[in-house]
Amino acid sequence: EPEVTQTPSHQVTQMGQEVILRCVPISNHLYFYWYRQILGQKVEFLVSFYNNEISEKSEIFDDQFSVERPDGSNFTLKIRSTKLEDSAMYFCASILPYRQGVGYGYTFGSGTRLTVV
Amino acid sequence: GNSVTQMEGPVTLSEEAFLTINCTYTATGYPSLFWYVQYPGEGLQLLLKATKADDKGSNKGFEATYRKETTSFHLEKGSVQVSDSAVYFCAQGAQKLVFGQGTRLTINP
Repeated sequence: EPEVTQTPSHQVTQMGQEVILRCVPISNHLYFYWYRQILGQKVEFLVSFYNNEISEKSEIFDDQFSVERPDGSNFTLKIRSTKLEDSAMYFCASILPYRQGVGYGYTFGSGTRLTVV
Repeated sequence: GNSVTQMEGPVTLSEEAFLTINCTYTATGYPSLFWYVQYPGEGLQLLLKATKADDKGSNKGFEATYRKETTSFHLEKGSVQVSDSAVYFCAQGAQKLVFGQGTRLTINP
């Protein structure tokens, strides 16, 4: 079964440093997403990406965050200057578009646990 | 805006007990509804889904029925096992997903 792959599985970074989280979505999927889960809390939407641009973002996704799909296979989330409160599990997901009343369930990656110290 | 409200946890049951985890949603339109499971130290796995009213999603003995009239999608299992211990998330959406707060389930032998 196709998978969404995320690397690294765990990253520790110092406050103020830039970090890039990497994802390889399923190859024929068209929409890509980042979500995060602060320890013990709910999963929150960060950003969606379609046709090489952001289609929607949450209030969490401020100027410190950016996404790109640099080479047609990878999908990255960059945090420019990490804060302690950015410590969380970050999940990448991809889907085919919703059409004809059939919802194509998300495929999530296994996540990157980011720890900011 | 769209939201999902789940039964407060944690929930602790004995093996072979009947499980219900309540989930209600508010939405404009008719979103797809999902249950995801997160085992300790792991990512999110789709457990089941339903895409329209009265659909029943089922997987691994778990079931949930899309109830438009009560805006609910309660998760049920007739006989739980220790291996079902995990956090369960209800979610709604067509593209962007909105999650509930999660319910931690512990099954004791």
